Amino acid sequence: QSALTQPASVSGSPGQSITISCTGTNSDIGGYKYVSWYQQHPGKAPKVMIYEVSNRPSGVSNRFSGSKSGNTASLTISGLQAEDEADYYCCSYAPGNTRLFGTGTKVTVL
Amino acid sequence: QVQLVQSGAEVKNIGASVKVSCKASGYTFTSNSITWVRQAPGQGLEWMGWISTYKGDTKYAQKYQGRVTMTTDTSTSTAYMELTSLRSDDTAVYFCARDKNFVFEIWGQGTMVTVSS
Repeated sequence: QSALTQPASVSGSPGQSITISCTGTNSDIGGYKYVSWYQQHPGKAPKVMIYEVSNRPSGVSNRFSGSKSGNTASLTISGLQAEDEADYYCCSYAPGNTRLFGTGTKVTVL
Repeated sequence: QVQLVQSGAEVKNIGASVKVSCKASGYTFTSNSITWVRQAPGQGLEWMGWISTYKGDTKYAQKYQGRVTMTTDTSTSTAYMELTSLRSDDTAVYFCARDKNFVFEIWGQGTMVTVSS
């Protein structure tokens, strides 16, 4: 299985909103509600930011939101802050009880 | 607190095997599966497989079938990932994560495995 497709980089100024897309197929993203998003700062372990497409874990800022349309999931960060600069990965449940990560997106705060 | 603590960095020769451990604490170990993810230097996250800590069932990514074995020791709340026939492109950081309802909600700190000739 190929990785889910994400843009390599997205940038924005402080206070702006940005959206990261994650495109799969109807066998993964399009077929299940189990899409999650992870934030990873350099040299650190990933951290879950969104699960089941649009749910936020306790402690995650409400500036982070998720959605899905067809085979594409999206993560939106509103009110961009310097601390949001990191790599972001989507992940989907896939056939055979496997998982599939996205290619990753580097978010830069200008 | 809930945490996963992994074993330390390893340096291995090509063709050797490596076994990484992941010790859980702060929760009931058998209540959630453990997933293993790796990240090559400068690259993205790659799902390797998962193990049910309750039944011991496993599911491996096709890429690793035949080379990876995931096990658990419930008496010590520890999960293990063994990778054999190591190649230079297996050089990566290996993470374990608690897999709760298809969400990797708690992660270990990562274990760097370097494969060299």
